[in-house]
Amino acid sequence: AQSVAQPEDQVNVAEGNPLTVKCTYSVSGNPYLFWYVQYPNRGLQFLLKYITGDNLVKGSYGFEAEFNKSQTSFHLKKPSALVSDSALYFCAVRDPSPGYSSASKIIFGSGTRLSIRP
Amino acid sequence: GAVVSQHPSWVICKSGTSVKIECRSLDFQATTMFWYRQFPKQSLMLMATSNEGSKATYEQGVEKDKFLINHASLTLSTLTVTSAHPEDSSFYICSARVGSSAEQFFGPGTRLTVL
Repeated sequence: AQSVAQPEDQVNVAEGNPLTVKCTYSVSGNPYLFWYVQYPNRGLQFLLKYITGDNLVKGSYGFEAEFNKSQTSFHLKKPSALVSDSALYFCAVRDPSPGYSSASKIIFGSGTRLSIRP
Repeated sequence: GAVVSQHPSWVICKSGTSVKIECRSLDFQATTMFWYRQFPKQSLMLMATSNEGSKATYEQGVEKDKFLINHASLTLSTLTVTSAHPEDSSFYICSARVGSSAEQFFGPGTRLTVL
C-alpha cells in the first residue's frame, strides 16, 4: 500500500537558521511528490513538486526539496527561515496506480507544524 | 491562474439540517474534483473523487447517502452534507485537476460547525 510519513509533528527553528522538514514515502513505481503549506483556517498552497529529472526541486518562497530514491525521501528545506514560514506543511504523493489516470489520488502525510521563533 | 474557490467559507447550522458547499474552478475546466475533510490538527482525508457527468467514487467508510456529491459541469462541484450532526463539524476542502495532469489545485476550505 502507498503511504507517506512525516516523522516530526513539530519542527522549531530560529529565524535565519536553515530548516528541514522530513518526508519519506512508500509507493510502487515512480511517484509524483509534492509539498503543500497550510495557514490557519486556509486551504492548501502548492510549494513544489517532483515529477522527473533533477533531484533538487526549487519551489515557492525560497523552499526546495531533494528527491532521494534510494532513501525514498523528499525532505523540504530552506537555507534561512523566516517567521512568516510558520505554518503546517504537508508532504504528498500521487498514487501511481492506476497509471496516473484522472482517477489516481494524492495521499497526504500527517503534517508537520513548523514554528520559527524570532 | 488555476484558482479554485469554495462557498461558503464558513457555515453554522443546526443538527438535522442539510448544508451545501460549492467548489468552483475559476479559470480552468476541471475534469476531476476531489473532496477532503480535515479535523483539527490532522491531515486531509479524501472523501470522494468525482468526474464531470458521472457518479462520484467514495472512499471506504464515507457514507454516500450522507455526503452527496454532484459534479454537473467542468467548473462546479457541490458537496451536500445531509442531516448534519455535530460529528460532521469539520473543515472541508475541495480540489480540482485537469485530466491526468500532475498538479492539483485546492480551494480555501469551508468550516462547517453543526450545533
